[in-house]
Amino acid sequence: QKEVEQNSGPLSVPEGAIASLNCTYSDRGSQSFFWYRQYSGKSPELIMSIYSNGDKEDGRFTAQLNKASQYVSLLIRDSQPSDSATYLCAVKPLLNYGGSQGNLIFGKGTKLSVKP
Amino acid sequence: DTGVSQNPRHKITKRGQNVTFRCDPISEHNRLYWYRQTLGQGPEFLTYFQNEAQLEKSRLLSDRFSAERPKGSFSTLEIQRTEQGDSAMYLCASSPGWQHNQPQHFGDGTRLSIL
Repeated sequence: QKEVEQNSGPLSVPEGAIASLNCTYSDRGSQSFFWYRQYSGKSPELIMSIYSNGDKEDGRFTAQLNKASQYVSLLIRDSQPSDSATYLCAVKPLLNYGGSQGNLIFGKGTKLSVKP
Repeated sequence: DTGVSQNPRHKITKRGQNVTFRCDPISEHNRLYWYRQTLGQGPEFLTYFQNEAQLEKSRLLSDRFSAERPKGSFSTLEIQRTEQGDSAMYLCASSPGWQHNQPQHFGDGTRLSIL
């Protein structure tokens, strides 16, 4: 059973602080990793994708991947109240490790609250 | 470049009725996915199309569920004899077809409520 684990939160940070969101996954063969943001009642919106070990930065967002530890994280710098949402970690297993061609495996999401 | 479009946005129906949802993917995306999401959970994979071919179905997709993508463009998801447990947000996503690791982009979803 391939699993993706996230702390459900809520994670509360003050405006302007760094928010750190973490995710672990069970399938060591996983190759593609994604972070989605989901506002209440809305659909997931892609924020970041990462495929190689290390850091990937895009504006205020930094994704970090450590395949040896099976760990992926998302840092949000200068957090804003508009960042308050649920952040979903999604993992795509590798085909030849029994992964499908299609599906992403999602965690349950971490609810982030940024206080003004 | 328009995004993924889903219709209807909301559907309320009585238990036992049949419902059908439509998804129009991003143009030129030949991969289309259906997911289901319930409150407090992440999306769960239902099925996946490459062009018009349905290549994979989850164990979640019981025989009451059927999905089609007849011309490789839009897709429909039908649920027959709906049950209370079918109440959820049904999400459609699409991605380009040239690599398996391309990100999936989601539509706004169809929220199904079973009375």
